[in-house]
Amino acid sequence: QVHLVESGGGVVQPGGSLRLSCAASGFTFSNYVMHWVRQAPGKGLEWVAIVSYDGYKKYYTDSVKGRFTVSRDNAKNTLSLQMTSLRVEDTAVYYCARDISSDYWGQGTLVTVSS
Amino acid sequence: QLVLTQSPSASASLGASVKLTCTLSSGHSSYAIAWHQQQPEKGPRYLMKLNSDGSHNKGDGIPDRFSGSSSGPERYLTISSLQSEDEADYYCQTWGSDIRVFGGGTKLTVL
Repeated sequence: QVHLVESGGGVVQPGGSLRLSCAASGFTFSNYVMHWVRQAPGKGLEWVAIVSYDGYKKYYTDSVKGRFTVSRDNAKNTLSLQMTSLRVEDTAVYYCARDISSDYWGQGTLVTVSS
Repeated sequence: QLVLTQSPSASASLGASVKLTCTLSSGHSSYAIAWHQQQPEKGPRYLMKLNSDGSHNKGDGIPDRFSGSSSGPERYLTISSLQSEDEADYYCQTWGSDIRVFGGGTKLTVL
């Protein structure tokens, strides 16, 4: 069955960097658009970034443009999110999700940006 | 601008039915959406994709108690025979070619 497993979260100081990964299994990864969604403590879901099937098209929510980079490795069935210049307001649980309707979600990884 | 609007809260009694609403912004009434459930301290779970004509495709293992319907820009999630585990946050989501949009979520309390 479909599994998405995020990793790479942790505590980082403002201005720091972190790289998140999402390992996919149980489906043909290269056939699906993938995206990242985050949820700040006590808040709702916020879309962060999308990457196309082949990795060439990437789109971001305005608040992370120029700071975050989404990528994928279809040979390794892995989705990544490189986060730089992190801010306190980036603190959230980050989820990866499959396809346009987010029909499968990972369990999430917590990113805490704090001094 | 593509926006989804949800009421912040709803409540209904154990065993009853409840209908949650998600409203698409003006000019986007033909868009499909997805409904997701997030139980306390858990990650989101996909419930269904709901089209503008009311047809819907539920996720794996989603009970028949969950159904969807549409009317104009409104997208509905109906939960019948409410159970305690249905107490959760419910989010609608839609999409464009280069964007995903979530509603603010509805917190459902089962009385």
